[in-house]
Amino acid sequence: GAVVSQHPSWVICKSGTSVKIECRSLDFQATTMFWYRQFPKQSLMLMATSNEGSKATYEQGVEKDKFLINHASLTLSTLTVTSAHPEDSSFYICSARGTSGGSETQYFGPGTRLLVL
Amino acid sequence: AQTVTQSQPEMSVQEAETVTLSCTYDTSESNYYLFWYKQPPSRQMILVIRQEAYKQQNATENRFSVNFQKAAKSFSLKISDSQLGDTAMYFCALNTDKLIFGTGTRLQVFP
Repeated sequence: GAVVSQHPSWVICKSGTSVKIECRSLDFQATTMFWYRQFPKQSLMLMATSNEGSKATYEQGVEKDKFLINHASLTLSTLTVTSAHPEDSSFYICSARGTSGGSETQYFGPGTRLLVL
Repeated sequence: AQTVTQSQPEMSVQEAETVTLSCTYDTSESNYYLFWYKQPPSRQMILVIRQEAYKQQNATENRFSVNFQKAAKSFSLKISDSQLGDTAMYFCALNTDKLIFGTGTRLQVFP
């Protein structure tokens, strides 16, 4: 099946620093990738849609200057949390849109736990 | 606007029994997909089953099946012969141009 990887899986950083999270589709090309945020015991909240070669589309309420998204190739999208603060601590999950059995499906990475001190 | 509603925050079932998780949705789109994803304690999202809205036949995947009622905008998941490994958070999701999740149902399977 389609595999999506995320790196790093776990990161701790100091307040004010920037953190980059990578999302890769390993065995398929993904023109569209998505970034989600999940708080403990809650659902996944879509942050932005990332399209290869174009600007990301952010959901309402998501600060595009804080959460920079780059989708430079058909297999890689990155999320950079700029000037991170403790309230940015969360679980970030990426997904990539692929096709399986003729149907469109989203495949998810294993997530990245971010802790900002 | 697209919405997904899961009205059961928690469910429990005994091993080998059957359980049904409820989901309703709303969309004005005519072409869409519906999914059930499972999130175990590892937090990896795992696709359980998928349904294309244009297909009348309910999707099945081994012990997992859905009851898709398009007119009622209902999409429930039935798990037969429940196993301990089915213990997880289950999310119903609607995909038009983006994937929107419900709030989830925590399923506990007891021995």
